[in-house]
Parts: sequence; C-alpha cells; structure tokens
Amino acid sequence: AQTVTQSQPEMSVQEAETVTLSCTYDTSESNYYLFWYKQPPSRQMILVIRQEAYKQQNATENRFSVNFQKAAKSFSLKISDSQLGDTAMYFCAFMTSGRDDKIIFGKGTRLHILP
Amino acid sequence: EAEVAQSPRYKITEKSQAVAFWCDPISGHATLYWYRQILGQGPELLVQFQDESVVDDSQLPKDRFSAERLKGVDSTLKIQPAELGDSAMYLCASSLAGRDTDTQYFGPGTRLTVL
Repeated sequence: AQTVTQSQPEMSVQEAETVTLSCTYDTSESNYYLFWYKQPPSRQMILVIRQEAYKQQNATENRFSVNFQKAAKSFSLKISDSQLGDTAMYFCAFMTSGRDDKIIFGKGTRLHILP
Repeated sequence: EAEVAQSPRYKITEKSQAVAFWCDPISGHATLYWYRQILGQGPELLVQFQDESVVDDSQLPKDRFSAERLKGVDSTLKIQPAELGDSAMYLCASSLAGRDTDTQYFGPGTRLTVL
C-alpha cells in the first residue's frame, strides 16, 4: 500500500523568507503522480503543484518549486519569497498512474507566515 | 471562475440522527469525489463517481453511509445514524473525466459536529 509521510506538523517563517516542506512516500509503482495541495483557513483546498514521476525535471509554479528525488522517494516543496497569503495547511499527496486511481494524502504541515 | 459548491457549510447534530450533505460539481465534470477529513489529518476518499456510477466506495462505511448521484450531476452523501466519530470535514471534489492528468477541484467542505 502507498503511504505519504509529512514529518513537520507545523512550521513558522518570516515573510519574504524561503521555506521548505518535507514529504516522503512509499510505493512499489514506477508510474505515479505527486502533488502539493494548499488548504487556507476556512477556504477550499487548491492544487499548488504536481509532478509526474517519469519527468526528471522538477516542477515549478512561480514562487513554488519542488525537489523530486525519485530514488529517495522524497518530494519537498520550496516556497520562495513567502507571503502572508501562503499561511495554510499544506498536504503532500500521491496517486498511481491510471484512470480512477485515488489520491493518498499525507497528514499535512501547518505553515504560518509571520509579518 | 467555476467552483464546486457544497451545503451546508456547517452542521451540528446529535448522535443517532440522520444528516445529509449536498455537492454540486463544476459544470461538465464527470467525476465526483467525496472525502472525509478528520481534524489534523489529510482527506481520505469515501466514494468516487463517474457520471452516475460508483467507481470506488471501498472506504465508505456502508452500514451507515450512503451516496448517490442520480442524474450524474449533483450528489448527496447521507449518514444514518450519525456517531460521535463521524465528526469531521466532508469535502467534495470534481474533475473533468477522472483521468490521472485531470486536476481535482475541491469545494469548501461541510464541517460536521456530532454531539
């Protein structure tokens, strides 16, 4: 069975700093997807970034980038120039490749951006 | 921008009562998901629909939970009777066709408290 582990329950950083959220996963599959979702307080969860396992290049979306280490089964999220609006729960998630396969979420990291 | 709608946003009930949650996915989205998110944890899939058909309900406690999507559009999740352990956030999500390349869009959720 696939598992997703986020070892940092809570983090705080100053505005404009860079922060890295850790995630490891376990799977025997070779084709899969990895995601970072953001859940702001009292707002809906949104997709921040996704990574296809077959792609060696790390995904980037503006200030958000990932460090995907397939052999180590590690998928960390880096937020550059952090902003107050980045305050949220961040979930790392995994999905095997194939129609109708479900997403497995980690327990989340609560990130506080301090003014 | 189109969003997934859910109602009610909050529900307080007593144990042994029946509760129902409603979800309206983004127009044109064939795949609909119901997740349960216990406080401090990531979402866990309860049931997945492709149009009006159930694709995966392996994690749905069928003795008390039921879900339907009769016309393949909006959906209702019901709990009867509710138990204390059912207190959680119930999230609905939708995607275009359930392909692994399709992004899941989440609604704001219904927070259930069972007293």
